[in-house]
Amino acid sequence: DAGVTQSPTHLIKTRGQHVTLRCSPISGHKSVSWYQQVLGQGPQFIFQYYEKEERGRGNFPDRFSARQFPNYSSELNVNALLLGDSALYLCASSLGTGGVGNQPQHFGDGTRLSIL
Amino acid sequence: QKEVEQNSGPLSVPEGAIASLNCTYSDRVSQSFFWYRQYSGKSPELIMSIYSNGDKEDGRFTAQLNKASQYVSLLIRDSQPSDSATYLCAVTNSGYSTLTFGKGTMLLVSP
Repeated sequence: DAGVTQSPTHLIKTRGQHVTLRCSPISGHKSVSWYQQVLGQGPQFIFQYYEKEERGRGNFPDRFSARQFPNYSSELNVNALLLGDSALYLCASSLGTGGVGNQPQHFGDGTRLSIL
Repeated sequence: QKEVEQNSGPLSVPEGAIASLNCTYSDRVSQSFFWYRQYSGKSPELIMSIYSNGDKEDGRFTAQLNKASQYVSLLIRDSQPSDSATYLCAVTNSGYSTLTFGKGTMLLVSP
């Protein structure tokens, strides 16, 4: 069975540009979450979507947005890129959004975004 | 501010030894606890989940949870060089499955 797939794997952008990252969850998983991981830190939560609705938002500026499609895939958009946006962007999927035992999240390989 | 604290390490152990990784969390309503392994340049891989107080064993891995002390740990028995990685502790509350991660502990297993 295919795991979580993300595209692209690597991306180089310049300051001020915008970027769109894509994620396909594990088959049957309806929840998709996005995380940002900078070097030396643990992943930091950006968004969670379930059944196309936003269910959670982390402490990120409005330059970050996301959406989920009817097939449960998701896009993360970042506008007006800053040098500090350079990071590994991780997508994770899970069966649902809550309930003990229903929550384990499985990560894709990530998109490494570099801002010049 | 919900926090998850881990010793950044590195924790160095010889091959065959027991590695003990520790994590504390600040949010008392946290209900689900996870350990992820992350190799350098790779994404986190789920290795253990634990939801109730006590021990949970899976092969060479044992997770221990003490909600009263807000403490969760991971024991790795018979450590192998291939276990060398960063181990991330993550917690969620009952409302949503969003994960709050610690910074991770780097484990180095020497042959």
